Amino acid sequence: KAGVTQTPRYLIKTRGQQVTLSCSPISGHRSVSWYQQTPGQGLQFLFEYFSETQRNKGNFPGRFSGRQFSNSRSEMNVSTLELGDSALYLCASSYDGGNTEAFFGQGTRLTVV
Amino acid sequence: GENVEQHPSTLSVQEGDSAVIKCTYSDSASNYFPWYKQELGKGPQLIIDIRSNVGEKKDQRIAVTLNKTAKHFSLHITETQPEDSAVYFCAASIRSGGYQKVTFGTGTKLQVIP
Repeated sequence: KAGVTQTPRYLIKTRGQQVTLSCSPISGHRSVSWYQQTPGQGLQFLFEYFSETQRNKGNFPGRFSGRQFSNSRSEMNVSTLELGDSALYLCASSYDGGNTEAFFGQGTRLTVV
Repeated sequence: GENVEQHPSTLSVQEGDSAVIKCTYSDSASNYFPWYKQELGKGPQLIIDIRSNVGEKKDQRIAVTLNKTAKHFSLHITETQPEDSAVYFCAASIRSGGYQKVTFGTGTKLQVIP
C-alpha cells in the first residue's frame, strides 16, 4: 500500500510569509500527527488530528495551526514565518494514535530566509 | 507530562560490535515503547516496539529491554553493520484523556565504522 505522502518536499519562504504543508496518510489511518525536527532538538510534537478533530497539541505558538479533512488528509499552516521556523516538518499517520505503529512521511524541508 | 531522556546523543562503534542506546521515562503509566530509525533524507521508521507487559523483545540482531521499576528501556543492536548507521529515536506512549500520547527522545546518532 502507498506510504505517507508529504508535499512539497522543499520550500523556501521569506520572513513574514505564511506556508501550508500537506500530508496524505496511509489509507485507513485516522490519526495524523505533525512534528518539527531541527538539528539537536529531536522530534518536537506540534499536534495530532483524529477524525477531523485536533485531540492533542504541543507547545508551539498559535502561528502554527492545522486541520484534517474527511478523507484524513491533513494540512498544517505556519503564519508570519520566522527564521527559527526553518526545519524539517514530518507527519506521521497511524490507525489509532500513539498505541499503534506510526508511519512517517519523508518530510517537508522548510527554509525561511 | 511525560519526559523521555535518551543517551548517548552520539555513538560510534566498530563494525561487528554491539551498540546500546538507553532511554528513561518519567511517567510510570506509559505502556508502549517504540524505537524508530531515521536514515539520511528519510522519515523515521519503526524498527521494534515493546509493550509494558513484556520485559524483552528480540528481532534478529535487534532487541529491546524494558525495566518498569527503574522506568528505563534500551535498544541493543548486535553484530552492527554499516547500514545500521542512522539516527535512532526512542519514544514512550501514555494513555491520557482517552487516547495515547507519544513523547520522543532526542535521538542518538549511531555511526558504524567499517
